[in-house]
Amino acid sequence: RKEVEQDPGPFNVPEGATVAFNCTYSNSASQSFFWYRQDCRKEPKLLMSVYSSGNEDGRFTAQLNRASQYISLLIRDSKLSDSATYLCVVNPHNAGNMLTFGGGTRLMVKP
Amino acid sequence: NAGVTQTPKFQVLKTGQSMTLQCAQDMNHEYMSWYRQDPGMGLRLIHYSVGAGITDQGEVPNGYNVSRSTTEDFPLRLLSAAPSQTSVYFCASSQGTGGSYGYTFGSGTRLTVV
Repeated sequence: RKEVEQDPGPFNVPEGATVAFNCTYSNSASQSFFWYRQDCRKEPKLLMSVYSSGNEDGRFTAQLNRASQYISLLIRDSKLSDSATYLCVVNPHNAGNMLTFGGGTRLMVKP
Repeated sequence: NAGVTQTPKFQVLKTGQSMTLQCAQDMNHEYMSWYRQDPGMGLRLIHYSVGAGITDQGEVPNGYNVSRSTTEDFPLRLLSAAPSQTSVYFCASSQGTGGSYGYTFGSGTRLTVV
């Protein structure tokens, strides 16, 4: 089983739609969680950290469910510019800064 | 503030050749790492460093060497290139410890081994 698993998609949604991605992780001792965004042929960029209480940044909401070992990302009022691959990232060992990346979920927002 | 700078952006090598991918950061980050990204595989850690003079292996270290003589620089050396090393390589850096901070990535090096 992969340490971090994501549905690769693609998720095709119209502009203005709400879309949600889930990601599961295997190590229950994981301490830090992030969502990254990666545009085609570009480097990953940090979108947001995921906190235990859940957190929101504009149209983006991240949630953590430790009991079920999954994190989620909700995007409201999707824009064309949201089209990208979203990477779920976990610090699985709480030892140093090593992060494990999921394979990514591709989102395509259409007019 | 340049962040993380990788060179070259593109490279084609012949099987058996060696080369060094350069990575430099100007944020005074202690932690630096190298990842490769392949279709369907996600990002996989090659080597990492928690400070100058300290390096360790990641998930896929075979065929690669690293050194960290300064805080700023973390070059990745391919010893004898193989077609299986065709990939996109990303260097990343992070402040602090404990994985509490996200990474800043360089723009990547696209390597093709023929």
